[in-house]
Amino acid sequence: QQQVKQSPQSLIVQKGGISIINCAYENTAFDYFPWYQQFPGKGPALLIAIRPDVSEKKEGRFTISFNKSAKQFSLHIMDSQPGDSATYFCAASWQGNNRLAFGKGNQVVVIP
Amino acid sequence: NAGVTQTPKFRVLKTGQSMTLLCAQDMNHEYMYWYRQDPGMGLRLIHYSVGEGTTAKGEVPDGYNVSRLKKQNFLLGLESAAPSQTSVYFCATQASSGYNEQFFGPGTRLTVL
Repeated sequence: QQQVKQSPQSLIVQKGGISIINCAYENTAFDYFPWYQQFPGKGPALLIAIRPDVSEKKEGRFTISFNKSAKQFSLHIMDSQPGDSATYFCAASWQGNNRLAFGKGNQVVVIP
Repeated sequence: NAGVTQTPKFRVLKTGQSMTLLCAQDMNHEYMYWYRQDPGMGLRLIHYSVGEGTTAKGEVPDGYNVSRLKKQNFLLGLESAAPSQTSVYFCATQASSGYNEQFFGPGTRLTVL
């Protein structure tokens, strides 16, 4: 059973545009929501993470928006650049848990 | 510091052959994980370990075995490789449970013919 569901599967964005990737979860015990970024031929790396005590977290051009009542969170990439072309995974966990539940990933392609 | 390293980077096996993938870390992290990544399937957890001498099954453990004899090493074994095990394998480490980042290795691309 997929605990975290990502949409859309792939995204093509023009340079300078906004990329938006959505994730939905079912388990209300989740209280930690990271996003991982993976470039071709590399392992995933943590990009940004949020706890549900805030509805939004911003780091540079990357923003997580969190909607607890809808059990959804999203990643926004502002002013998308070709260097942002990668696969993005959302994930979820909770304090005391030793595993991350990953979404299936979303491939973002930013065209010049 | 090397972080998380994986050996080998690439491997081609014939059906029925065995092999061991090695993950090594120098971050003194307690937790270690083995994932496989397949197109459209995301990252699927094979086995994990919460400390030296302990292992546990993940989502897709069948056909794999693991060992964590030393804190810094986590081995993934395939006793009798099958074409369905063709995949990219990632090792990851985490300091402890909860709100902690997982650090991934560079991956091993395995092809089983």
